Amino acid sequence: GNSVTQMEGPVTLSEEAFLTINCTYTATGYPSLFWYVQYPGEGLQLLLKATKADDKGSNKGFEATYRKETTSFHLEKGSVQVSDSAVYFCALSDRAGGTSYGKLTFGQGTILTVHP
Amino acid sequence: DSGVTQTPKHLITATGQRVTLRCSPRSGDLSVYWYQQSLDQGLQFLIQYYNGEERAKGNILERFSAQQFPDLHSELNLSSLELGDSALYFCASSDRTGGDTQYFGPGTRLTVL
Repeated sequence: GNSVTQMEGPVTLSEEAFLTINCTYTATGYPSLFWYVQYPGEGLQLLLKATKADDKGSNKGFEATYRKETTSFHLEKGSVQVSDSAVYFCALSDRAGGTSYGKLTFGQGTILTVHP
Repeated sequence: DSGVTQTPKHLITATGQRVTLRCSPRSGDLSVYWYQQSLDQGLQFLIQYYNGEERAKGNILERFSAQQFPDLHSELNLSSLELGDSALYFCASSDRTGGDTQYFGPGTRLTVL
């Protein structure tokens, strides 16, 4: 079945440091890939997505590129802020058949803490 | 704000009891998904409904059931509760065109004592 593996955390950085959170996946077919973010005490928010190979998703300074050859979707940000402290989840969608989509399969989450 | 609402925000109950969690999807979204988030299992898919019909099942216990009503809101029923059912339960919805982006509600935190 489908699976997502994220780098283990927690990740602790100083403000303005470069961030990379690794994500690799195993899937049949051509899933869409997502990064969701969960701030303390809140639900999951979509951060960015990519729907096909070589697509780059970007939002709020975060980027990730869908690499089919390495089955990866690593999250990057050039300069993190204290407000980026949260839990980050990599996920893939399960194509349920035809054009409809089913469940999301999530990685285990990576806790990011950014210090001033 | 994703547009997905969930009630209640918190629920504290005792073992053996039954609870109902409610979810209202974004306006116009036909698909509703339920997920469970726990420390040991992470985020696990439970069940999906599309326009009132069950579409897919994941790691949902037999003690749990769900339904989607004609107005598209959904309820997740958890019965014979055990301590291990304590978790955050999220509802998500996706759009009418069958798009793959799921929008999550704020979650219901269930504590079983």
